[in-house]
Amino acid sequence: AQSVTQLDSQVPVFEEAPVELRCNYSSSVSVYLFWYVQYPNQGLQLLLKYLSGSTLVKGINGFEAEFNKSQTSFHLRKPSVHISDTAEYFCAVITGNQFYFGTGTSLTVIP
Amino acid sequence: NAGVMQNPRHLVRRRGQEARLRCSPMKGHSHVYWYRQLPEEGLKFMVYLQKENIIDESGMPKERFSAEFPKEGPSILRIQQVVRGDSAAYFCASSLFGTGNYEQYFGPGTRLTVT
Repeated sequence: AQSVTQLDSQVPVFEEAPVELRCNYSSSVSVYLFWYVQYPNQGLQLLLKYLSGSTLVKGINGFEAEFNKSQTSFHLRKPSVHISDTAEYFCAVITGNQFYFGTGTSLTVIP
Repeated sequence: NAGVMQNPRHLVRRRGQEARLRCSPMKGHSHVYWYRQLPEEGLKFMVYLQKENIIDESGMPKERFSAEFPKEGPSILRIQQVVRGDSAAYFCASSLFGTGNYEQYFGPGTRLTVT
């Protein structure tokens, strides 16, 4: 069975500071990994995805994530956050037809 | 190109009533997925449909819940005899292709409140 763990439910960070949002998954098969962002009262928007190839994936809005197979992790990073990055971030794994989502990390950027 | 549309955005129902949630996929997309998000939780897969077919309903509760995606018109998620525990945000996503295409586009969601 698949599962996705986001260890931090809330992450406050000052504007222009770096941030890392952690995601670990468990799977016995190959997985495809995603990060989505959800702004208040909106649907999910794809930030980036790892399907194969380079383990460092760059996404929109300056975010990037690194796939680490040995640690079964896919942490999301941004070197300098902006106020507009305040949102809920979800890590997800897909196998077959189904996405399995983590419980989300609420990122709050403090001015 | 309009994105995935869901309506209503907010729905209030009393216990025992029926709730109907609609989802219009992106133009050209024939694959629709429904997810439920409970407070403080991530999204949970419910059902995957193609036009006129249910492909995977392994995430659907066995009773009171049903979904359809007719040849014409939006996909409908129907909840009969709603209970307080059905209060959640329900998200629809669509994709151009099914298995093998991992790009799902999400709608803004319908927030169901059962009083």
